[in-house]
Amino acid sequence: AQKVTQAQTEISVVEKEDVTLDCVYETRDTTYYLFWYKQPPSGELVFLIRRNSFDEQNEISGRYSWNFQKSTSSFNFTITASQVVDSAVYFCALSENTGTASKLTFGTGTRLQVTL
Amino acid sequence: NAGVTQTPKFQVLKTGQSMTLQCAQDMNHEYMSWYRQDPGMGLRLIHYSVGAGITDQGEVPNGYNVSRSTTEDFPLRLLSAAPSQTSVYFCASSYNRAMSSYNSPLHFGNGTRLTVT
Repeated sequence: AQKVTQAQTEISVVEKEDVTLDCVYETRDTTYYLFWYKQPPSGELVFLIRRNSFDEQNEISGRYSWNFQKSTSSFNFTITASQVVDSAVYFCALSENTGTASKLTFGTGTRLQVTL
Repeated sequence: NAGVTQTPKFQVLKTGQSMTLQCAQDMNHEYMSWYRQDPGMGLRLIHYSVGAGITDQGEVPNGYNVSRSTTEDFPLRLLSAAPSQTSVYFCASSYNRAMSSYNSPLHFGNGTRLTVT
């Protein structure tokens, strides 16, 4: 069975600090996709990134960067120079290939609190 | 484009009552799904559909029914509400075309907060 572990339940940082959110996954599939979603205090779920299992290149988007390492089954998310607006719950998710459907298994989320 | 629309935003039910959570998308997505979010448990898949007339169970389907009569709509029915169904429910859709789109990101609605007393 697939599993996504986000061991950090809650993280508090001061604005401008860098912070890394950890995600470890388990799957038997050879082809799979990993996702990060953000849930701000308003409650909606916002898609941040998708990474496929064959692409281990790190990705950077502004202050956000992602480190995908198949050898350790990890897909970590780093926010550089954090801002108060980054305060949210962040979910890592793993796709399960059933052949016809996109079924995502979510981690339990990491609540990030950024203070002034 | 409205995206994924869920109604109502809030609902309070008494144990044993029934209700339907509505979900509609205007992106012509073939795949739709329902998740529930509970504290400390992330999001768990309830039911999903890969097209009109086709539905299947997810991780936590008990107590819920779904149907997909049109591409746009995917209602979730609670036949006899229980306090254990108190949760935030999210509907999500994604583009689905054979194998090439199983990796499509999900587009989520804004959620329905349900309380069962």
